[in-house]
Amino acid sequence: NAGVTQTPKFQVLKTGQSMTLQCAQDMNHEYMSWYRQDPGMGLRLIHYSVGAGITDQGEVPNGYNVSRSTTEDFPLRLLSAAPSQTSVYFCASSYLGRGGSETQYFGPGTRLLVL
Amino acid sequence: SQQGEEDPQALSIQEGENATMNCSYKTSINNLQWYRQNSGRGLVHLILIRSNEREKHSGRLRVTLDTSKKSSSLLITASRAADTASYFCATAGAGGTSYGKLTFGQGTILTVHP
Repeated sequence: NAGVTQTPKFQVLKTGQSMTLQCAQDMNHEYMSWYRQDPGMGLRLIHYSVGAGITDQGEVPNGYNVSRSTTEDFPLRLLSAAPSQTSVYFCASSYLGRGGSETQYFGPGTRLLVL
Repeated sequence: SQQGEEDPQALSIQEGENATMNCSYKTSINNLQWYRQNSGRGLVHLILIRSNEREKHSGRLRVTLDTSKKSSSLLITASRAADTASYFCATAGAGGTSYGKLTFGQGTILTVHP
């Protein structure tokens, strides 16, 4: 299994440009999430999905869209990039395990710089 | 806002010493998890403790949970230089499954000197 994969690894955008960060998992996990990590801030949840066709907002959803047409893929779209979206983005997947526990499996991250 | 507050923000120790990191949270939880992040990499799950558990062990890791104080601690015994990383606590909210939503603390940067 490849686990959780993310592309690209690094991206530079100009303010106002749009782009899609790709995330895929091959573990047949029900749940997928997008987080952003800023220096000294830990990880903050952007959007999450509990299954194909079902998504919801997290703590910091503004400026981002998601969709989940398949179990495997969960792309994150930046509609009009702003310098405040400069960050490292992590995708994660998880499943409902024994006793209701959910261990999250993280991708390697995408570093985004918005100029 | 961040649910968890971690203490200390940075910890520097010698190889062989024990490292203790603390995490406090604000609301009721289903479980609390600890993750490790090596520089520039993704997060790796270390251990999960459920709200009805008080202590859990995994190899050189020991986690405690005090739900009355809304706090947890992670102890790494006999530390190694390879343990150098950032460590994050993350909580899953109470009321059933969190559906993959975790709330992370700000992390503790651990440096283990050879």
